[in-house]
Amino acid sequence: NAGVTQTPKFQVLKTGQSMTLQCAQDMNHEYMSWYRQDPGMGLRLIHYSVGAGITDQGEVPNGYNVSRSTTEDFPLRLLSAAPSQTSVYFCASSYQQGSGYTFGSGTRLTVV
Amino acid sequence: AQRVTQPEKLLSVFKGAPVELKCNYSYSGSPELFWYVQYSRQRLQLLLRHISRESIKGFTADLNKGETSFHLKKPFAQEEDSAMYYCALSGLYSGNTPLVFGKGTRLSVIA
Repeated sequence: NAGVTQTPKFQVLKTGQSMTLQCAQDMNHEYMSWYRQDPGMGLRLIHYSVGAGITDQGEVPNGYNVSRSTTEDFPLRLLSAAPSQTSVYFCASSYQQGSGYTFGSGTRLTVV
Repeated sequence: AQRVTQPEKLLSVFKGAPVELKCNYSYSGSPELFWYVQYSRQRLQLLLRHISRESIKGFTADLNKGETSFHLKKPFAQEEDSAMYYCALSGLYSGNTPLVFGKGTRLSVIA
C-alpha cells in the first residue's frame, strides 16, 4: 500500500516554463488536495477535489490548473512558472471529511 | 469562511515542562478540528482529531466551542516532540469543505 505518491521530489524550472506535478493515491480516497508550504505562511490550499470530475479553487489558485479524471490521480499544472511559485508542494487525500488526510512526501520546486 | 489562527510562531520549552500550543478557529458551521505534526523535512502526519477524543504520544486536545479553540497540550515535553505543529479545520457535516491550516507553531524542546 503506497499511500500518496508525489513525483518528482525535486525540480528546478526556469521562469516561463510549464510542468506538471504528479499525485497518485491507491486508497480509493474521494477527497484530494494540493497545498504549498512556505516559511511563515503554513500550508495554503491551492486546489481541491471531492471526487472524479469535480475540482474547486482554494486560497491561492492563480497560476495553477488541476483536473481529476480518475479517483487515483490529481495532477497539478504550473502554466508559466514564476519565482513566486518556488515552494514545497504537498498533495493529500482523504476517504471522507473528518477522517483526516494522508499526505505525500512533497515536491520541492525552485523557479529561477 | 474558514480560518485557523495559531498565534505563536515559535514555542520553546524545557524538557519535562508542560506544553500548550494554541489554536483558534472561525467557522460558521460545525467544525472538525485536527492537529498535524511535521518532523524535520518530512511529510505531515495526523496527530489528533477532535472527534476521536484520543491521546497520541501523550498529546491531548479539547474542542472548546465557546472559545472557538482547540489547544494542544502535553504535560511533560520530550526532546523528540520538537517539530512543526499545524492546526487544521474542516466542516464536520459539509463534504465540500476543504481542510484549511493555520500557519503553524514550531515547538523546540530544550534539554
